[in-house]
Amino acid sequence: SQTIHQWPATLVQPVGSPLSLECTVEGTSNPNLYWYRQAAGRGLQLLFYSVGIGQISSEVPQNLSASRPQDRQFILSSKKLLLSDSGFYLCAWRSQGWTNTEAFFGQGTRLTVV
Amino acid sequence: GNSVTQMEGPVTLSEEAFLTINCTYTATGYPSLFWYVQYPGEGLQLLLKATKADDKGSNKGFEATYRKETTSFHLEKGSVQVSDSAVYFCALSDRTNAGKSTFGDGTTLTVKP
Repeated sequence: SQTIHQWPATLVQPVGSPLSLECTVEGTSNPNLYWYRQAAGRGLQLLFYSVGIGQISSEVPQNLSASRPQDRQFILSSKKLLLSDSGFYLCAWRSQGWTNTEAFFGQGTRLTVV
Repeated sequence: GNSVTQMEGPVTLSEEAFLTINCTYTATGYPSLFWYVQYPGEGLQLLLKATKADDKGSNKGFEATYRKETTSFHLEKGSVQVSDSAVYFCALSDRTNAGKSTFGDGTTLTVKP
């Protein structure tokens, strides 16, 4: 069966520090991968998606970047965090080519920038 | 572009009450529609889905029907339990290769005993 791992679960970082959140998927190959951010009491904002290794599409201009160095690994990064980067970050995957299937989400990372 | 509008919350109900959470959407073409549930401190998990008009998705006593004529996908449950307390998200998926999803803002449901 497929599983998705996301870590760390919680993170407190000072303003200006770097960030690296990692997400890995097991049990499937060539998935579509997604990074979402959820602000407190708000819906999900799609930040990045990837349809293959090294292929990253950005949905919104921001202080963050994403990379996909391996088929089932998706990394969210920042060189210098801002206070506004605080939020709940969710990684998700979906089988490529099957848009009638659901997305599977990781447990999320609660990031607090202080 | 695509959009999903959900009934604003929070919603507070007594146990065994009837639940309706409204969801309407705007999309080009024929999207697939989903309801996800998020328990505190966790990621989202699929509750139910419908992939074409007039389909009814159901799971754990929850139901939603894909209504193309009204572009709606309202979530219903006949008798809620305390354990149903969570945030509910309506979503649609875009029929492109990336399968990007568009989410509503979420509706927080609290069920009191």
